[in-house]
Amino acid sequence: DQQVKQNSPSLSVQEGRISILNCDYTNSMFDYFLWYKKYPAEGPTFLISISSIKDKNEDGRFTVFLNKSAKHLSLHIVPSQPGDSAVYFCAASRSTNFGNEKLTFGTGTRLTIIP
Amino acid sequence: DTGVSQNPRHKITKRGQNVTFRCDPISEHNRLYWYRQTLGQGPEFLTYFQNEAQLEKSRLLSDRFSAERPKGSFSTLEIQRTEQGDSAMYLCASSLGISLGDTEAFFGQGTRLTVV
Repeated sequence: DQQVKQNSPSLSVQEGRISILNCDYTNSMFDYFLWYKKYPAEGPTFLISISSIKDKNEDGRFTVFLNKSAKHLSLHIVPSQPGDSAVYFCAASRSTNFGNEKLTFGTGTRLTIIP
Repeated sequence: DTGVSQNPRHKITKRGQNVTFRCDPISEHNRLYWYRQTLGQGPEFLTYFQNEAQLEKSRLLSDRFSAERPKGSFSTLEIQRTEQGDSAMYLCASSLGISLGDTEAFFGQGTRLTVV
């Protein structure tokens, strides 16, 4: 049962344009969502997160949008740069009084930025 | 403190052998997680600790797997009688784990296990 889904295994975007990565989840208990970026042979690196009490969070070139009714979130990168080429994982969690529980990850989207 | 540290980075072992991996979390972090990642998949949760207490274990964690976090500092993950299906990247992560506001988990670089 894949509770977090990233339906696009890969995405190619021209440098300078906007990259949009999508993620869907099924578990309505999830209330915290994160995006991680991963280079080959390295661990995931935290990128940006959003709580379910918000519908948008922005950090520099990265913006995450959350649509709770559709159980959908997206990551926008603008402008896209060659260094953004990596695999992006969407993850979801439930928050508790002692921090978040385990992360449930999607299968990832490989983003390639074309110079 | 430069982040979560995992050792070794790579391990090749023969089927049937035991292996042990170590994770040193960020020093003030109370929560420590183990994940496993295979090719084409996202990281899958194995287990996590709040200080020295192991709070949850995934069904993926068979009785050949054991994890410890003595004194709530570093953690070890041991796999006994390794099988070829155990070949994967084993990832450790840590987070503060002291309040509702604690959010992000920070990952180490992983240990790549190959069972031959």
